[in-house]
Amino acid sequence: GDSVTQTEGLVTLTKGLPVMLNCTYQTTYSPFLFWYVQHLNEAPKLLLKSSTDNKRTEHQGFYATLHKSSSSFHLQKSSVQLSDSALYFCALRPSNYNVLYFGSGTKLTVEP
Amino acid sequence: EAAVTQSPRNKVAVTGGKVTLSCNQTNNHNNMYWYRQDTGHGLRLIHYSYGAGSTEKGDIPDGYKASRPSQENFSLILELATPSQTSVYFCASGDAKGNTLYFGAGTRLSVL
Repeated sequence: GDSVTQTEGLVTLTKGLPVMLNCTYQTTYSPFLFWYVQHLNEAPKLLLKSSTDNKRTEHQGFYATLHKSSSSFHLQKSSVQLSDSALYFCALRPSNYNVLYFGSGTKLTVEP
Repeated sequence: EAAVTQSPRNKVAVTGGKVTLSCNQTNNHNNMYWYRQDTGHGLRLIHYSYGAGSTEKGDIPDGYKASRPSQENFSLILELATPSQTSVYFCASGDAKGNTLYFGAGTRLSVL
């Protein structure tokens, strides 16, 4: 079936360091991939999205590239800030379905 | 910006009681969704709707019913609440393609 896997539950980094949050997916249909971010006590919000193979998409300093060959859509940032501390969800929408499947989430904590 | 409003924001219920969570959207989106969020599980889809009068089962529908009486309103109903339904519930609306979801602020439900 359709699914999303995020391997890191918790990531703790020092401000200014780079980060990569892993996301892999499984579907037999053309994939639409998303990253949502949820700050403490807030609703999840869309961070970025892509359906184009091998094209980098960027927003607010974060970037990700959909690689269909490896079924991956990892989220990266070159220099994390304290305000990046949040819960990050990867999500998949198979092309045949108007529903998003979410991964289990990665909690990113950025320390001074 | 798109607006999704959930009520109540917090709810304490007794085991065996009936609970209704309400969601209203002013985005004129056809699609609406109910997710629950639990640590380690991410966001899991309970029910969704493609328009007024329609409801569909998501991945974890057992113990929940849904109602979509109008384009704007989508309710989640727990007929016989159980402690295992203690969670944070998010409602979301999405465009016809289901690509971008707009989430409400969430309802924290405790079933004692």
